[in-house]
Amino acid sequence: GAVVSQHPSWVICKSGTSVKIECRSLDFQATTMFWYRQFPKQSLMLMATSNEGSKATYEQGVEKDKFLINHASLTLSTLTVTSAHPEDSSFYICSAREGDLDNTFGSGTRLTVV
Amino acid sequence: SQQGEEDPQALSIQEGENATMNCSYKTSINNLQWYRQNSGRGLVHLILIRSNEREKHSGRLRVTLDTSKKSSSLLITASRAADTASYFCATTPRPGRRALTFGSGTRLQVQP
Repeated sequence: GAVVSQHPSWVICKSGTSVKIECRSLDFQATTMFWYRQFPKQSLMLMATSNEGSKATYEQGVEKDKFLINHASLTLSTLTVTSAHPEDSSFYICSAREGDLDNTFGSGTRLTVV
Repeated sequence: SQQGEEDPQALSIQEGENATMNCSYKTSINNLQWYRQNSGRGLVHLILIRSNEREKHSGRLRVTLDTSKKSSSLLITASRAADTASYFCATTPRPGRRALTFGSGTRLQVQP
């Protein structure tokens, strides 16, 4: 079946630094990738939709200059949290889909900003 | 934005009992899915039910869908301690939006 690899699985960074999270579709071409965020004991909230070769579409309230998304190829999307602050500490998870097929989720990244 | 609510928010049962979780959503949907998430981990897809289906079974799981009430339920029969996790419903709204919209989740604790 479809596999999505997400790295790193966890990261600790200092406040003010940037962190890049990668999401790769291993055995299919992902025309669309999605990035979600999950705060402790809460549900997953969609942050942005990433389409290969075009700009990402951000959900209301998500700062596009803070959460940079690049989807340069059909198998890779990256999310960069710029100038991270402790309130950005969260669980970030991507999903990818090929055409109209179902979403396949990565294993998530636990970000802790200290 | 969050599509809907799940209840209960938390559920604690004994091993062997059945667990029922309910999900309500707000807009018309193409399908509804249930996911499981162990603490701090990724999502595990459990089952998908399409908008024209009313009930679906998979092993110890039974899902119902009532589109007139915009609600779904997940029943786990003969629960095990290993079923302890958070369970989320997720919908694919019509038309054409392809991202999943998640419910608020139910935290299930199965006591051995």
